[in-house]
Amino acid sequence: DAGVIQSPRHEVTEMGQEVTLRCKPISGHNSLFWYRQTMMRGLELLIYFNNNVPIDDSGMPEDRFSAKMPNASFSTLKIQPSEPRDSAVYFCASRRTGLTDTQYFGPGTRLTVL
Amino acid sequence: AQSVTQPDIHITVSEGASLELRCNYSYGATPYLFWYVQSPGQGLQLLLKYFSGDTLVQGIKGFEAEFKRSQSSFNLRKPSVHWSDAAEYFCAVAGRDAGNMLTFGGGTRLMVKP
Repeated sequence: DAGVIQSPRHEVTEMGQEVTLRCKPISGHNSLFWYRQTMMRGLELLIYFNNNVPIDDSGMPEDRFSAKMPNASFSTLKIQPSEPRDSAVYFCASRRTGLTDTQYFGPGTRLTVL
Repeated sequence: AQSVTQPDIHITVSEGASLELRCNYSYGATPYLFWYVQSPGQGLQLLLKYFSGDTLVQGIKGFEAEFKRSQSSFNLRKPSVHWSDAAEYFCAVAGRDAGNMLTFGGGTRLMVKP
């Protein structure tokens, strides 16, 4: 299996622009997670989906952030408008439904907002 | 709420020396416990996990961890460190409930001296 795929790997944009991050989970995995990693705050869970349905989005920083999962093989995290403080590495992870199953992480998208 | 503390932000060891990375958690019951490793520019890779049973868990790359309920700890060990082990290590906990979301510690950055 190819593992969790994220694109782009690097994104540089200017403040105010819309940014869309993409994730393809591992085939057969029912849960998908979006994390943000910064030096100041470490790894934070932003939102997670189960069977394409958002279950907990309490970690989403503000209304500028939105996430969708239109089908089992694709998810997006959108920031509109972007701000410099959004600069971080964004990880997507997926897992089978079982509570004891492992989360597998993608390589991340490094976002820089100028 | 669950939380994870990794007291050591940085650790430097000599190649061939033994290693122990500390992890303490706070949770009302016994959680699921994990150690992940992150190499520079990479996503997180699972080293090992504890769900139940034997409190000494073996993982990949020669790592092991021991769950100590009385100390709320899940320390990671390796008897002989290799230069390729230089990375950042994250301890994580997940509750044994339907949410089962991972909470990560702040990470420990390991440097290996030749």
